[in-house]
This record gives sequence, structure tokens and C-alpha cells, in this order.
Amino acid sequence: NAGVTQTPKFQVLKTGQSMTLQCAQDMNHNSMYWYRQDPGMGLRLIYYSASEGTTDKGEVPNGYNVSRLNKREFSLRLESAAPSQTSVYFCASRTSRRGASTDTQYFGPGTRLTVL
Amino acid sequence: GQQLNQSPQSMFIQEGEDVSMNCTSSSIFNTWLWYKQDPGEGPVLLIALYKAGELTSNGRLTAQFGTTRKDSFLNISASIPSDVGIYFCAGQASGTYKYIFGTGTRLKVLA
Repeated sequence: NAGVTQTPKFQVLKTGQSMTLQCAQDMNHNSMYWYRQDPGMGLRLIYYSASEGTTDKGEVPNGYNVSRLNKREFSLRLESAAPSQTSVYFCASRTSRRGASTDTQYFGPGTRLTVL
Repeated sequence: GQQLNQSPQSMFIQEGEDVSMNCTSSSIFNTWLWYKQDPGEGPVLLIALYKAGELTSNGRLTAQFGTTRKDSFLNISASIPSDVGIYFCAGQASGTYKYIFGTGTRLKVLA
């Protein structure tokens, strides 16, 4: 049971390049999330997927797209990277029973992205 | 966007001391989560709280869900050097899939 996995761990892009960050979870969770973490800003939600087949914008969605490929996988795409997207990106998944006493969220190890 | 007020922002303490930190919100939450993040790692869940007034422990850590449902507290007893890291709170309101995160408390323990 690997939990939440993310690839790649590190990436350097030039302005205007595109890339996709991959995330997978093996806990059979319905909901998955993408966050970015910047110094002093805490974690900010980019997009989330409440269940397979649905995606919704979070707090900072501009410049990003997502795909919920299946129940396990949720990818984040940068179509034209900008220096302002330099950040650490975390994927998370959430236990299936919203509101239940086991309702918690688990994070992956992160992808450190630098855009030059 | 909304973020929780988490305090203190940082603290230096001596090994063996107790630590207290808190999060406050302008909104009512149904769930409070506390995470610890080590450098270069993702946040790791420490404690989850689901009811107003609930007090939950995890080893030397104790967290409480405030009775107003707008705040939560985390205490660490007898701190040790490996407690160093950033502690985040996260709250979830009723009827939403989204969590709101605090800006973190950076803890440094002096041996």
C-alpha cells in the first residue's frame, strides 16, 4: 500500500513549456486534490475531483488543467508554464465517506517545479 | 482566498518543554485536521477532529476541536528534537469537499 504517489519529484521548465504532473492513490478514495505550496502561503487548492468523472476549480486554478483519468489517477497539466508557477505541488486524496468520523485527507510527497 | 489564522508563526523552544499552537477561523467547521511537514516532504496527518469539544491524543500530541467550531488547538508535551517541522491546521466546512489550510507554525527545538 503506497498511499499517494507523485511523479516527477523534481522538474525544471522554461517559460512557455508544458508538462503534466502525475498522481495516483491506491486507497480506493473517491476524492482527489491538487495544491500548491509557496513560502509563507500555506497550501492553496488548485483543483479537486470529488469523484471519478468530476473536477472543480479551487482557489488558484488559472494556468492549470486537470484530468481525472480513473478512480486512482488525477493529473495536473501546465499548458504554458510561467515563472509564477514555480512552487511545490502536492496531490492528496480523501477517504470516501464525507462527514464520517474517518473523513481525512492524505498527501503525496510533492513535485518541486521550477520555471525559468 | 480564505486561509485560517494560525499562531504563532514560529517558535523556538527548549527540549522537554510543552508547546501550544492554535488556529482560528471566521467560519464554522465540521472537521479539523492537524498535519506536520518535514523539509522536502508532504504533510503527514497527526490528528483528526470531528466534533465540537472533542479532545484527541496521539502520543505526546493532543488536539482539541473548539466549542465554537471556529478554532482548534494543538499541544505537544515534552518536546524532542524530532518535533522540528511545520505544523498545519486544516478545516472543512459542512457540505463541501474543500479544506482550508492555515499558514503553518514553524517549530524549532533547541537541544
